[in-house]
Amino acid sequence: KAGVTQTPRYLIKTRGQQVTLSCSPISGHRSVSWYQQTPGQGLQFLFEYFSETQRNKGNFPGRFSGRQFSNSRSEMNVSTLELGDSALYLCASRLDGTGVTGELFFGEGSRLTVL
Amino acid sequence: SQKIEQNSEALNIQEGKTATLTCNYTNYSPAYLQWYRQDPGRGPVFLLLIRENEKEKRKERLKVTFDTTLKQSLFHITASQPADSATYLCALVSLDSNYQLIWGAGTKLIIKP
Repeated sequence: KAGVTQTPRYLIKTRGQQVTLSCSPISGHRSVSWYQQTPGQGLQFLFEYFSETQRNKGNFPGRFSGRQFSNSRSEMNVSTLELGDSALYLCASRLDGTGVTGELFFGEGSRLTVL
Repeated sequence: SQKIEQNSEALNIQEGKTATLTCNYTNYSPAYLQWYRQDPGRGPVFLLLIRENEKEKRKERLKVTFDTTLKQSLFHITASQPADSATYLCALVSLDSNYQLIWGAGTKLIIKP
């Protein structure tokens, strides 16, 4: 069974641009979460989608948005990029979206550099 | 305020010894706690889960304990090997957090041959 796939793996943008990151969860997983990771900050939760609906949202500005498609694939978008948005963006899927004990399966991440 | 803390300093352990990592939390009512391993530039990988009514969980050379009185989880790696060198993250799921995982910043473990 294929793991969580994130594209692109690396990208460089300039301030003010926007970026779209993609995530394909493990087949059968309906919950997809997005995290931002920067050195020293740990994993910061962005949002979670389940069956095309945003179920939880972290404390990030409205420039960060996401969506989930009917096939459970998810995208996140960051508009008006700032230098501080440079980070590793991780996507994670899990089998059950009912908030129980399911482990998260992470992708390899998308490394975003904003110049 | 609510927070989950792991030792931010790297932990250096001699090969063959037991490595013990700590995860402390405050002001949460935990449902369960998970431990993950993360290698540089990679996504975290799930290792173990322990529920609030469990005291201990084992998997091969790994052992996790959970003390809700002390508000602490300990993660042990016995007979440590250089390949165990990585950053280890704990994540708590609380009844207060709508079942979202609350993450510690991770502890970097270095096993010296």
